[in-house]
Amino acid sequence: AQKVTQAQTEISVVEKEDVTLDCVYETRDTTYYLFWYKQPPSGELVFLIRRNSFDEQNEISGRYSWNFQKSTSSFNFTITASQVVDSAVYFCALSEAGTSGTYKYIFGTGTRLKVLA
Amino acid sequence: DAGVTQSPTHLIKTRGQQVTLRCSPKSGHDTVSWYQQALGQGPQFIFQYYEEEERQRGNFPDRFSGHQFPNYSSELNVNALLLGDSALYLCASSLTGLMRTEAFFGQGTRLTVV
Repeated sequence: AQKVTQAQTEISVVEKEDVTLDCVYETRDTTYYLFWYKQPPSGELVFLIRRNSFDEQNEISGRYSWNFQKSTSSFNFTITASQVVDSAVYFCALSEAGTSGTYKYIFGTGTRLKVLA
Repeated sequence: DAGVTQSPTHLIKTRGQQVTLRCSPKSGHDTVSWYQQALGQGPQFIFQYYEEEERQRGNFPDRFSGHQFPNYSSELNVNALLLGDSALYLCASSLTGLMRTEAFFGQGTRLTVV
């Protein structure tokens, strides 16, 4: 069965520190997508990054970077030089194909990040 | 361009009552999914609507039902409310067949059952 595990429940860092959020997934599909979403106190899930199962190239986008390793089924997310506004709950999600071309997300339990000034 | 909008934002209901939550998808999106997020947990998939039909369903009882209208907006109905139904209900919109694109989420409806 598809599953997403975020072992870190809560992380606290001091502003300007780098922080890495871990994500491990399980899937039998050969084609899948992985996502990171941020959930501020307002409740809305905000899309951050996406990676497909065929592309293991790691990238950097501004202060965000990600490390996708298919061999270990991990999709870790790093924030460089953290800021107080980064404080939120971060969710890793796996896109699972359904019928009729539809798909759904399987989310991890989330990691609460607290960035202290 | 309006994103995903949900109403109401907060709701308090009594056990045994029925509730209807509403969602308008992002402009251009044709698929609406509903998720339940209990406190301290990740969102759990309830069901998904495309072309006014339920296409996928998660592990939720029949008390949870939905509808999609011709303009792609959607409703989530929950009957015979239980205390355990208290949660944040999130609506997500997307384009069918495009697994590679991200879903857009609304701010959710926080339902409290007392």
